[in-house]
Amino acid sequence: GAVVSQHPSRVICKSGTSVKIECRSLDFQATTMFWYRQFPKQSLMLMATSNEGSKATYEQGVEKDKFLINHASLTLSTLTVTSAHPEDSSFYICSASTGVRTEAFFGQGTRLTVV
Amino acid sequence: AQTVTQSQPEMSVQEAETVTLSCTYDTSESDYYLFWYKQPPSRQMILVIRQEAYKQQNATENRFSVNFQKAAKSFSLKISDSQLGDAAMYFCAYRIYTGTASKLTFGTGTRLQVTL
Repeated sequence: GAVVSQHPSRVICKSGTSVKIECRSLDFQATTMFWYRQFPKQSLMLMATSNEGSKATYEQGVEKDKFLINHASLTLSTLTVTSAHPEDSSFYICSASTGVRTEAFFGQGTRLTVV
Repeated sequence: AQTVTQSQPEMSVQEAETVTLSCTYDTSESDYYLFWYKQPPSRQMILVIRQEAYKQQNATENRFSVNFQKAAKSFSLKISDSQLGDAAMYFCAYRIYTGTASKLTFGTGTRLQVTL
């Protein structure tokens, strides 16, 4: 099956700093990538959808200036949490698909802890 | 609003038995796909089964099958011959298409326990 690699798997950063999470499709070209946030024992909350070469579409309530998403190539999307605060601590998951009519494959997730 | 509802927060099944997880959804779109994903303790999301909305035939994948009722907007997952490795969170999801855009939206999840 298709492989999506997300890095890092865990990161701890100081409050006020920025942290970047990478999502790579290793064996396919991802025209669409999704970024999710998952709180403990809860569902995946869609943060934004990005199409290669286009600006990301953010869900209502998600601060686009705080969660910067870049999908510059068909194999890489990045999520940058800017000026992180403890309330941004969460599990972030990316997923990628080859088109609008296919399933999405998921990365391993990133546990972000802001101290 | 477009939503996915899983009314069973937790389910339990004995090994080798059959269990059905419920899912209903609400969308005004006619073009969409439905999925069941599994999330084990590792938190890696794994695709279990998919169903194209335009297909009337229910999808099956080995021990996993769905009961897709389009008019009722219902999409349940049946797991036959349950195994200990089936214990996980199960999420129902749909992907709708509006022009060139698409969104993959998840339900609240059902935690499945498998007992001996």
